[in-house]
Amino acid sequence: KAGVTQTPRYLIKTRGQQVTLSCSPISGHRSVSWYQQTPGQGLQFLFEYFSETQRNKGNFPGRFSGRQFSNSRSEMNVSTLELGDSALYLCASSMGQGAIYGYTFGSGTRLTVV
Amino acid sequence: AQTVTQSQPEMSVQEAETVTLSCTYDTSESDYYLFWYKQPPSRQMILVIRQEAYKQQNATENRFSVNFQKAAKSFSLKISDSQLGDAAMYFCASTFTGANSKLTFGKGITLSVRP
Repeated sequence: KAGVTQTPRYLIKTRGQQVTLSCSPISGHRSVSWYQQTPGQGLQFLFEYFSETQRNKGNFPGRFSGRQFSNSRSEMNVSTLELGDSALYLCASSMGQGAIYGYTFGSGTRLTVV
Repeated sequence: AQTVTQSQPEMSVQEAETVTLSCTYDTSESDYYLFWYKQPPSRQMILVIRQEAYKQQNATENRFSVNFQKAAKSFSLKISDSQLGDAAMYFCASTFTGANSKLTFGKGITLSVRP
């Protein structure tokens, strides 16, 4: 079966712009979680969506938001981009809510803010 | 709160040899789960092994096994018969039980495999 698909794979944006990243989970998976990966901070949890509702949120400013559609696909939006937002953004899906069963990750979107 | 510590930034192993990657964690939870994930250059994080804290038996997956020492809060990964394809970054992670569980990752360790 198809894995977790993230688009686009690479993105370059200018400071102050906004960006939307997309994630399609494995078919049948209802939970989508987002993580930010940077060399300095490592992997940090952004948020989790389950059945179109945000169930959990990490310690990120309100510029980071997301949503989930009825087909479980999820989008993540970052407004007013800052240089520090440059990172690899990873999407992960799972059958149930939460992380206890482990995730299936996508290959990520590499965002560069210039 | 949970913390995960991987103190070795890099390790190297000869092909066909065995290597052990270290991880320690701290948690106030009585019930939790531990994981090892592999991230090759393709960037996709791959679940290597999962351990339920209430199970005393160490988890194994083919050439991968863990040494789970609950009292010492240690969770090391042993890779036997190392292969060139094992070269990657390895992350140790933990989560508590409950609907709002999320992964807390260590900083990772870069494993290189010498042919």
